[in-house]
Amino acid sequence: DVKVTQSSRYLVKRTGEKVFLECVQDMDHENMFWYRQDPGLGLRLIYFSYDVKMKEKGDIPEGYSVSREKKERFSLILESASTNQTSMYLCASSRLALSTDTQYFGPGTRLTVL
Amino acid sequence: DAKTTQPPSMDCAEGRAANLPCNHSTISGNEYVYWYRQIHSQGPQYIIHGLKNNETNEMASLIITEDRKSSTLILPHATLRDTAVYYCIVRVATGNQFYFGTGTSLTVIP
Repeated sequence: DVKVTQSSRYLVKRTGEKVFLECVQDMDHENMFWYRQDPGLGLRLIYFSYDVKMKEKGDIPEGYSVSREKKERFSLILESASTNQTSMYLCASSRLALSTDTQYFGPGTRLTVL
Repeated sequence: DAKTTQPPSMDCAEGRAANLPCNHSTISGNEYVYWYRQIHSQGPQYIIHGLKNNETNEMASLIITEDRKSSTLILPHATLRDTAVYYCIVRVATGNQFYFGTGTSLTVIP
């Protein structure tokens, strides 16, 4: 079974803080993704990575950065958190880059920025 | 940029089959139909996917019409734990992104 884990289920931060969200997958997948999910807006892709040290912008990268130093780990960074970044953040991975492979999701991190 | 249309909500009696419809009338020849579900406050869970043939796995069956403009996800014997939002997604073969729409909220009733 594919397992995608995220560092926290719930997180509360203050405006202006730097926030790190960690995601780890244990199946040697090449692709990893960060989405945010908001009511009425569905899932929106923030960034994805198809290889170590490689990253590509998704639909809404502004205010975020990512890091992939190891194949199994993909981090999402909020350099200076703002209240409009309060959301559910979902990490996903898939086996092969640029393929039909299924994406497997982690449990999500619900971030609240005060 | 969801390319699918699903009813916003459905009910199903426990133990009965749940049939969840999805319209994707603009689907292209190289686009797959995926189904995921999301139980409240959890990450989406993969269920099944297909291109043009019907598919079955341990969770569900996927029936795709011959013209590929619609599909139905069938949960053969719904349980209370199947209560979730079900998403039908159309995805190109080499696309990285999944576009989740608003899905169908399925409630399984005892």
